[in-house]
Amino acid sequence: DQQVKQNSPSLSVQEGRISILNCDYTNSMFDYFLWYKKYPAEGPTFLISISSIKDKNEDGRFTVFLNKSAKHLSLHIVPSQPGDSAVYFCAASSGTYKYIFGTGTRLKVLA
Amino acid sequence: DAGVIQSPRHEVTEMGQEVTLRCKPISGHDYLFWYRQTMMRGLELLIYFNNNVPIDDSGMPEDRFSAKMPNASFSTLKIQPSEPRDSAVYFCASSSGAGGMSGANVLTFGAGSRLTVL
Repeated sequence: DQQVKQNSPSLSVQEGRISILNCDYTNSMFDYFLWYKKYPAEGPTFLISISSIKDKNEDGRFTVFLNKSAKHLSLHIVPSQPGDSAVYFCAASSGTYKYIFGTGTRLKVLA
Repeated sequence: DAGVIQSPRHEVTEMGQEVTLRCKPISGHDYLFWYRQTMMRGLELLIYFNNNVPIDDSGMPEDRFSAKMPNASFSTLKIQPSEPRDSAVYFCASSSGAGGMSGANVLTFGAGSRLTVL
């Protein structure tokens, strides 16, 4: 039972364009969401987060949008750069430290 | 701080052998997590500790898996006996903070231990 789903295993985007990574969840009790980025042979690193009291959080080129009614969040990267090529995981928790991760989306930014 | 330290980085073993993965969390972090990454299931939470006490081990797949945290600076994940389907990358992560809404409980991951069971 996958409570956090990333239905696109991969995504290719031209450098300079927008990358949109999507994540869906099923548990309405989730109230905190994070995005992590992972390069090969490294551990995931924290990118950006959002709590359920907000619908948008922005940090430089990265913006996360949360649509609670649709149980959907998305990560926008603008403009995309080749260094953004990595696997992106979304994660969710319900007020505890038990973070549930998705299966990841591999982003490739083409120069 | 050197971050979360995991060893070994790579382990190749034969089916039936015991495997021990090690983790040193960031000093001062009072939560420690073990995750497993596979293509099919992504990052799965196996177990997590708070102040060295196991809080939730519902993700541990079978009795063949066990985890301990004898002190605040060391944890082990043991698989005995190992099977080919245990092949995966195992990550340890640590965290500190007051709770989900505070923004302080971001997990910091180690570089992972890649396990191959032949």
